[in-house]
Amino acid sequence: RKEVEQDPGPFNVPEGATVAFNCTYSNSASQSFFWYRQDCRKEPKLLMSVYSSGNEDGRFTAQLNRASQYISLLIRDSKLSDSATYLCVVKGGKLIFGQGTELSVKP
Amino acid sequence: DGGITQSPKYLFRKEGQNVTLSCEQNLNHDAMYWYRQDPGQGLRLIYYSQIVNDFQKGDIAEGYSVSREKKESFPLTVTSAQKNPTAFYLCASRPGGAENTEAFFGQGTRLTVV
Repeated sequence: RKEVEQDPGPFNVPEGATVAFNCTYSNSASQSFFWYRQDCRKEPKLLMSVYSSGNEDGRFTAQLNRASQYISLLIRDSKLSDSATYLCVVKGGKLIFGQGTELSVKP
Repeated sequence: DGGITQSPKYLFRKEGQNVTLSCEQNLNHDAMYWYRQDPGQGLRLIYYSQIVNDFQKGDIAEGYSVSREKKESFPLTVTSAQKNPTAFYLCASRPGGAENTEAFFGQGTRLTVV
């Protein structure tokens, strides 16, 4: 079993749609959780950290469920510019990335 | 400007040659990481270092070696023992200690072995 698992997609959605990504992790001792965004052929960049109480940043909402060992990312009112690959990241001793979920937002 | 720099951006090598990828940061970060990314895949951890003069193997360390003699530098050597070295290599750094701190990435090195 992979340490961090994501649905690779692709998710193809129209502009304005709401889309949700899930990610599961296997190490119950994991301490920190993040969502990164990666554009084609570029380095990943932090989208948001994920806190136990859940957190929101504009159109983006992240949730953490420690009991079930999964984190989620909700994107509301999708924009064309949201098209990218979204990477779930879990930190225990190591910093482990999921394989990424590809999102394509169409006009 | 503070940041993390990888060089070169593109690198071509003949099969059987060792090659060293550079990663330098001036962010005063304790932890540094090397990842490999293949087309359509996520990032796989090669090696990481949480402090100077110490490093640990990641999930795919075979055929790679690293050193951490200085805080700012974490070079990765791809040896001839690595069976399929052509990939996109990403270096990252983050502050040590505090947990919810982000990792910053260099722009990556695309290695092609012919």
